[in-house]
Amino acid sequence: RKEVEQDPGPFNVPEGATVAFNCTYSNSASQSFFWYRQDCRKEPKLLMSVYSSGNEDGRFTAQLNRASQYISLLIRDSKLSDSATYLCVVTLNTGGFKTIFGAGTRLFVKA
Amino acid sequence: GAVVSQHPSWVICKSGTSVKIECRSLDFQATTMFWYRQFPKQSLMLMATSNEGSKATYEQGVEKDKFLINHASLTLSTLTVTSAHPEDSSFYICSAREELGQGANYGYTFGSGTRLTVV
Repeated sequence: RKEVEQDPGPFNVPEGATVAFNCTYSNSASQSFFWYRQDCRKEPKLLMSVYSSGNEDGRFTAQLNRASQYISLLIRDSKLSDSATYLCVVTLNTGGFKTIFGAGTRLFVKA
Repeated sequence: GAVVSQHPSWVICKSGTSVKIECRSLDFQATTMFWYRQFPKQSLMLMATSNEGSKATYEQGVEKDKFLINHASLTLSTLTVTSAHPEDSSFYICSAREELGQGANYGYTFGSGTRLTVV
């Protein structure tokens, strides 16, 4: 089992739709969680951190479920510009600091 | 926000030559930087963790003698691909660890990446 798993998609949604991605992680000692966005042939950029209490930034909402070991990202009112790959990132410290990237979920928002 | 500068953005080199890639944190100090490699349509794969003033920690399967990492200052880490071969052609990205607020520990600011083509 991969340490961080994401549905690769692609998710094809119309503008204005609400779309949700999940990401599961296998190590219960995982400490911090993030969603990154990566546009084609560009570097990943931090979209948002994921806090235990959940957090919202505009149209984006991130949730963490430690009991089930998954994080989620909800995008409301999708825009064409939201088309990208969304990477789930998990960090843990098990005798050494480690960062694990999910393979990414591809989103296409169409007019 | 934090900015990480990575140079060069692209490079073409002949097989057997060495290529150095620089990663600089411009407005913050980064005791820890990371080097990733990304092949087409794949996710980032961590190659090594670069620690200022000490030896880098390499991931399993990454040859430390081939991918030389130097983190001589708090704002600069370099990756040198020695004796490059066509299979080393890839997108190399660095990131620097930065502190985030609100209880989250760290986030990662990425450089813009270096596209290496070995011919």
